[in-house]
Amino acid sequence: DGGITQSPKYLFRKEGQNVTLSCEQNLNHDAMYWYRQDPGQGLRLIYYSQIVNDFQKGDIAEGYSVSREKKESFPLTVTSAQKNPTAFYLCASSIMGNSPLHFGNGTRLTVT
Amino acid sequence: AQTVTQSQPEMSVQEAETVTLSCTYDTSENNYYLFWYKQPPSRQMILVIRQEAYKQQNATENRFSVNFQKAAKSFSLKISDSQLGDTAMYFCAFMAVYTGANSKLTFGKGITLSVRP
Repeated sequence: DGGITQSPKYLFRKEGQNVTLSCEQNLNHDAMYWYRQDPGQGLRLIYYSQIVNDFQKGDIAEGYSVSREKKESFPLTVTSAQKNPTAFYLCASSIMGNSPLHFGNGTRLTVT
Repeated sequence: AQTVTQSQPEMSVQEAETVTLSCTYDTSENNYYLFWYKQPPSRQMILVIRQEAYKQQNATENRFSVNFQKAAKSFSLKISDSQLGDTAMYFCAFMAVYTGANSKLTFGKGITLSVRP
């Protein structure tokens, strides 16, 4: 079955450490996205990528970095510069051309 | 920049009854899509319904329908014959259409809907 896989489901890190969240899709979608979800805030866009080796900042990119070396993969690194990293992170993908987004199951990151 | 506003943080409805969730948006674009997504307790985001702005006819998907008022920039979701499985957070979202490029999806803050047995 085609879909988007985010791993792990839960992730715990100490403050000051970088951490990378995985996102893999086998839908052959061109575009991939990372959103952050906080209570009462809805979903906010961190980064998105339309093609391999290209990506753009979203609304809250500070403290995050991404790479898009393969069409299937769009990992997100939460750096120590991110002031409030504890959140639920959702990865999504879509076919080129303004089609609806398909979402992964999310990763809950807790930094203490 | 686009904004999406969901002013009701929570709603409750009796099973089998009808409920309407409100959403307004602000944009200077003329060509766009609007979406409602559902997020149940599993936290999986599920597409409920989509509306193209150029279409005057309101979209319908089984028990879910929208009331799209383009001039008023309003996009409400009506759920008929509410079921316990409809209990979830519902997000309204906006996507501007650009030729040859992907667009970002801008979300509202969501509304928590509880269906009472």
